[in-house]
Amino acid sequence: EPEVTQTPSHQVTQMGQEVILRCVPISNHLYFYWYRQILGQKVEFLVSFYNNEISEKSEIFDDQFSVERPDGSNFTLKIRSTKLEDSAMYFCASTQTGGLTEAFFGQGTRLTVV
Amino acid sequence: DQQVKQNSPSLSVQEGRISILNCDYTNSMFDYFLWYKKYPAEGPTFLISISSIKDKNEDGRFTVFLNKSAKHLSLHIVPSQPGDSAVYFCAASGPGTYKYIFGTGTRLKVLA
Repeated sequence: EPEVTQTPSHQVTQMGQEVILRCVPISNHLYFYWYRQILGQKVEFLVSFYNNEISEKSEIFDDQFSVERPDGSNFTLKIRSTKLEDSAMYFCASTQTGGLTEAFFGQGTRLTVV
Repeated sequence: DQQVKQNSPSLSVQEGRISILNCDYTNSMFDYFLWYKKYPAEGPTFLISISSIKDKNEDGRFTVFLNKSAKHLSLHIVPSQPGDSAVYFCAASGPGTYKYIFGTGTRLKVLA
């Protein structure tokens, strides 16, 4: 069964460092998303991406965050200068179409900022 | 911003009995609702969805009910199995957006 894959599964980084989280969405999907879940809290939307541009972003997704689809298969989330409060599970998701359809999530990357 | 709420943080059910997980929402513009199951250290796994034009959707042991006037949906699992033990999230989406708003989750424990 096709699945969304994320690497790495766990990333530890020093505060202020840049991190790149990587995702390979399901191959025939066209819409891509990043969500995050801070420990003990709910899953929160960060950004959606379609046709090589951001279609929607939340207030969490500030100038420190960026997304890219560099090669037609990978979808990346970059955090330019990490803060302690960026520590969370980051989930990539994809959908085949937009709206009224289920998203498939990856297994997540646990980001720990020390 | 508590647009989607799951008021029961946990639920315990005996194996073979029915599990009922509840979810309330405040935004009447939501038109698509989903339930996801999540095991520790894994991503959410899609279970079942329902659009606002329906009031029930069934898939095997899982049934989702939607009461639009009460802004309430529920997930019924029958019969419950120990493998169903996980955290269940409801999520909602509205017109003009493809993002999901998630509830806080309910931890279901099915006792053998």
